[in-house]
Parts: sequence; structure tokens; C-alpha cells
Amino acid sequence: EDQVTQSPEALRLQEGESSSLNCSYTVSGLRGLFWYRQDPGKGPEFLFTLYSAGEEKEKERLKATLTKKESFLHITAPKPEDSATYLCAVPREFQGAQKLVFGQGTRLTINP
Amino acid sequence: SQTIHQWPATLVQPVGSPLSLECTVEGTSNPNLYWYRQAAGRGLQLLFYSVGIGQISSEVPQNLSASRPQDRQFILSSKKLLLSDSGFYLCAWNWGGGADTQYFGPGTRLTVL
Repeated sequence: EDQVTQSPEALRLQEGESSSLNCSYTVSGLRGLFWYRQDPGKGPEFLFTLYSAGEEKEKERLKATLTKKESFLHITAPKPEDSATYLCAVPREFQGAQKLVFGQGTRLTINP
Repeated sequence: SQTIHQWPATLVQPVGSPLSLECTVEGTSNPNLYWYRQAAGRGLQLLFYSVGIGQISSEVPQNLSASRPQDRQFILSSKKLLLSDSGFYLCAWNWGGGADTQYFGPGTRLTVL
């Protein structure tokens, strides 16, 4: 059974304090890995898709990386507006559609 | 560009009452559509998905049903709500399976009392 585990569950940082969030997965035949950002009371906002080990993608202060067993979301010099829950998910194609298996998320708080 | 809408944004309903949540997508045709539920402190759970008009697949047996009467319209319904139906309901769409990105709507917060 596909499983996605994110750690830590919650992380508090000071503004400017860089860190990383982890997403580990057990799937057969990884076909990609998604990162989303979710603000309280809102729907998840797409950040990145990674397709193969060694791939990296960047957006502002965020950089996502992928290995064969896990993905990291690196946050460099974060600002308070980066506070959100970060979700990762792996897709499973199913009858022409797609099942996304999500992790529980990491709740990130950046203090000014 | 594509836009996904959900309404209502919030809903408070008594136990045993019916439910109808609506999702529409603009700017695309023949999308795959999905309903997810996010319960407090839990991850997103896929409830239903649809690859075309009238085609609905259920992921988890439950008190809910879904319908797709038009190409870009997806409806989540219940005849009698349970307390356990409370949660944050999200609609999403994409063009295909595989590793195609899913885009989410703003969500509906449902509280069953």
C-alpha cells in the first residue's frame, strides 16, 4: 500500500532561519511527487512537481528535491508569509484518473 | 486560464438534513474532477472522482454521493447528514491521470450539529 509520511508535524522558525521539511514515501513505481501549500481555511495551492531522483525545482525561497525514497522542501531565509501547512502527495493512475496519496502535512510557523 | 469555484464557502447543517455542494471549473473542457474531504487534524481523503459526464467512481463507502450532470460541474450530495460528515470539502481537477497536476478549489467548510 502506498504511504506518504511527512516530518516534522509542526515546525517553528524565526524569520531568516533556514530549514527543511521531509516527505518520505513507499510506492511502487513512482510517477511523480507533488508539493502543495495550504493556508488555513483555503484549498491547497500547487507548488512543485518532481518526476525523477536528483531533480530540483525552486520558487522564491523554496527549493524541492527528490531522491528515490524521499523529498525535501528547503526553505531559505523564510519570512512570516511563508507560514502555512505544506503537503506532499504521490499520484497513482487509476482508470484514467488519478489518486493522490497525501501525507499529513507539516505546519510551518515563521515568527517575525 | 482555468478557475475552479466551490459553493457555498461555509455551511452549518443539522444531523439528518440533506446536503448539496457544488463545484464548477471554467476555462477547460472534459477535465477529471475530484472530491476530497479534509477532517480536522487529518490528511486529505479522496471521496469521488469522475472522468466524464455521468461517470462517477467512489473511493470510500460512505453516506455521500456525487454526480456530474455537466462537463464542468461536480456535485456532492447526501440525503441525511451524520455528525461524522463534518469537515473541509475540496474539489479538484486535472486533465489526465499519471503525474498530471491536480488543482484545488477554495473549499467548503461543513459543520454538522
